[in-house]
Amino acid sequence: KQEVTQIPAALSVPEGENLVLNCSFTDSAIYNLQWFRQDPGKGLTSLLLIQSSQREQTSGRLNASLDKSSGRSTLYIAASQPGDSATYLCAVEGNQFYFGTGTSLTVIP
Amino acid sequence: EAGVTQFPSHSVIEKGQTVTLRCDPISGHDNLYWYRRVMGKEIKFLLHFVKESKQDESGMPNNRFLAERTGGTYSTLKVQPAELEDSGVYFCASSHFGELFFGEGSRLTVL
Repeated sequence: KQEVTQIPAALSVPEGENLVLNCSFTDSAIYNLQWFRQDPGKGLTSLLLIQSSQREQTSGRLNASLDKSSGRSTLYIAASQPGDSATYLCAVEGNQFYFGTGTSLTVIP
Repeated sequence: EAGVTQFPSHSVIEKGQTVTLRCDPISGHDNLYWYRRVMGKEIKFLLHFVKESKQDESGMPNNRFLAERTGGTYSTLKVQPAELEDSGVYFCASSHFGELFFGEGSRLTVL
């Protein structure tokens, strides 16, 4: 059974700092990996989708990488802003989508 | 284009009552998923529809939960009778080419 782990569980950084969120998974036989953000009381917003044949995806200040062989993905956020404060979740697609427990990010002005 | 919509956004019921949650996926998305997040836990898969067929319902906790997707459009998830441990946020998602799009969730509180 696929298990997805996200480290750290919580992170607090000053505004402007670059940061990395980590996602690891136990079964490398995945189709896609997707990063989401969730604001309090809201649904999940898709940030980046990395297909299994890809190594990374970029959108604005966000860059996500995927290393299937080692079962790892990272989400890099450049020049963090208070508006980036949210919970970030990764999900891997196997025969279903498996989610990590998320990293709660706080960016301090 | 409308996203995934869920109704109600919040439901408070007493133990033993029945609640029906509704999800309208993005138009044209054949794949529809239900997930649940219980406080402090990870998002757990409940089931997956492809059009009107249940592709995978291995995550449904017990027979008090019934999901339907008549005509392959919107879906309903009924909990009957509700128990205290059913409290949580129920998310619906639809997918296209492997990318998941989520609704805002339906928060269920069972007292």
